[in-house]
Amino acid sequence: EAGVAQSPRYKIIEKRQSVAFWCNPISGHATLYWYQQILGQGPKLLIQFQNNGVVDDSQLPKDRFSAERLKGVDSTLKIQPAKLEDSAVYLCASSLTSLRVQNPTGELFFGEGSRLTVL
Amino acid sequence: SQQGEEDPQALSIQEGENATMNCSYKTSINNLQWYRQNSGRGLVHLILIRSNEREKHSGRLRVTLDTSKKSSSLLITASRAADTASYFCATDPSNAGGTSYGKLTFGQGTILTVHP
Repeated sequence: EAGVAQSPRYKIIEKRQSVAFWCNPISGHATLYWYQQILGQGPKLLIQFQNNGVVDDSQLPKDRFSAERLKGVDSTLKIQPAKLEDSAVYLCASSLTSLRVQNPTGELFFGEGSRLTVL
Repeated sequence: SQQGEEDPQALSIQEGENATMNCSYKTSINNLQWYRQNSGRGLVHLILIRSNEREKHSGRLRVTLDTSKKSSSLLITASRAADTASYFCATDPSNAGGTSYGKLTFGQGTILTVHP
């Protein structure tokens, strides 16, 4: 079974430039997550999709970050314009079911991540 | 702020020894999960323990959960050099009735180094 695919693996840009990351989840997984992981910290949830609808984007800096999951399959995360503090690894994850059930399985499957360096 | 807090931040042991990592959290949870992350890689799910469970085993892994103390521990027995990685606990917060809020929140992680 193919895992979660992400691209690009590495990206270096200057501040105020834009960047986009792509994620293709495991086939059949309804829920897709984007996490931001700053060096030395744990992943922080940016946005959660259930099929093609947004479940939670409360921690997404909407003035510069946007994400979409058209057709409920792959997803794109965009940053425009980038700031120095956006330097991080952007992790995409998927799960078979939503966590919003009484007894969820809850296991997330992660991609390898996209490492962004903003100069 | 992060829901889970791991302790210690870093742990260095010799191959064959046991490694214990602890996680504390603040709110009611539906379940708690542990993940491993090798350097430069994504996270890999290790084990999930539900709020009504106290202990769970998987191979060399043993997880305990004490909901009264809002804490969990991960024990890796007979460690190997290949166990060197960062380990994260993640909590699935819930309401008092146990219904998940559907939001997995990660702690800061414990960096484990196992020397051959």
